[in-house]
Amino acid sequence: QSVLTQPPSVSGAPGQRVTISCTGSSSNIGAGFAVHWYQQLPGTAPKLLIYDNTNRPSGVPDRFSGSKSGTSASLAISGLQAEHEADYYCQSYDGSLSVYVFGTGTKVTVL
Amino acid sequence: EVQLVESGGGLVQPGGSLRLSCAASGFSINNYAMAWVRQAPGKGLEWVSNISGSGSSSYYADSVKGRFTISRDTFENTVYLQMNSLRAEDTAVYYCARRYGSGSPHFDYWGQGTLVTVSS
Repeated sequence: QSVLTQPPSVSGAPGQRVTISCTGSSSNIGAGFAVHWYQQLPGTAPKLLIYDNTNRPSGVPDRFSGSKSGTSASLAISGLQAEHEADYYCQSYDGSLSVYVFGTGTKVTVL
Repeated sequence: EVQLVESGGGLVQPGGSLRLSCAASGFSINNYAMAWVRQAPGKGLEWVSNISGSGSSSYYADSVKGRFTISRDTFENTVYLQMNSLRAEDTAVYYCARRYGSGSPHFDYWGQGTLVTVSS
């Protein structure tokens, strides 16, 4: 059972900006643990997209951005393209459960 | 180039055992904690286990504690997941991942995954 909640789906037209929320609690995001984001294209392994709330690994374009506030975090995708159709997961650490926790996942659809 | 290659998945009956392997290249597992993360069909990601860079500590999700054992061979640069007393709910793609950072670690490299199906 995931302790980080994400919307099941978000959609947007090509070129638009979409955001995905990740809601946690005082034992994970709210406790100061960083939030990381992964992109999973259909039939492939997850790929790190954003780490430590706002940082992009080398090779990830700046159309992807992350933010964190209180017990929540967000991933924004600007200039939406067909290649961005994928599942996106947030991840953090839960200090009370002592486990790594993932979000419920969000499917992004380009209209 | 960092690469993680899993193997050992397959079809197993409930109550059976399976050992997964994760061969790492491009870095030494001595320097990083390594993890297993699984994904049931059509479901989200679930952290299963990880082993410290020194190999002295290992951690497990409650759902597998007492049934799964993570280990490693530094000579072979390979991480293993021994899975015993398998249940239908263990059916999933199992990914090996490198853990990076301290305090609030993330998983910076992932393997392609290996499918484990528990069914009679």
